[in-house]
Amino acid sequence: AQKITQTQPGMFVQEKEAVTLDCTYDTSDQSYGLFWYKQPSSGEMIFLIYQGSYDEQNATEGRYSLNFQKARKSANLVISASQLGDSAMYFCAMRGPNTGNQFYFGTGTSLTVIP
Amino acid sequence: KAGVTQTPRYLIKTRGQQVTLSCSPISGHRSVSWYQQTPGQGLQFLFEYFSETQRNKGNFPGRFSGRQFSNSRSEMNVSTLELGDSALYLCASSRFTSGVSYNEQFFGPGTRLTVL
Repeated sequence: AQKITQTQPGMFVQEKEAVTLDCTYDTSDQSYGLFWYKQPSSGEMIFLIYQGSYDEQNATEGRYSLNFQKARKSANLVISASQLGDSAMYFCAMRGPNTGNQFYFGTGTSLTVIP
Repeated sequence: KAGVTQTPRYLIKTRGQQVTLSCSPISGHRSVSWYQQTPGQGLQFLFEYFSETQRNKGNFPGRFSGRQFSNSRSEMNVSTLELGDSALYLCASSRFTSGVSYNEQFFGPGTRLTVL
């Protein structure tokens, strides 16, 4: 079965600093996709970044990058130059073929950016 | 391109009643998934529909049901509401996934259900 683990319930970062949010996963699939979502206090889930298991390079989207270490089964999100608007819950997710491409989400990390 | 829309945004019901929530996916998206989010249980998968067929189902009682129409719009229904059903219900849509590329889900704003 697929499993996503986010071990940091809460994180604090100084404005303009970089922060890493941890995500580890467990799957028997050889092919799978990894995702990060942001959920502000308004409740809507916002897609941030995607990494395919066969992608050789780490994904980047603006200030977001995904530190993908396949052998360690980790997919950490790095946010550079944190902004106050980055304060939100962050969820790591995965989907793969052996479970019908269903999305599995972690429990989330609450990030607070301090001015 | 319009995003995922959900109606209603807020709903207050009493125990024992039933409720129907609606979700319109992004144009061209045929997969629609539903999630329940509560502070205690986090984000829990309810079910996924693709081309009017339920493709995946989470671990929820039969009081939770859903369907998808030919235009990909989806509804979920909760019968005999319980206090514990109070939650944010999120709908998400995505394109069909094939091969080794996995499409992201795009979420709607959610329906906040309060059961009194």
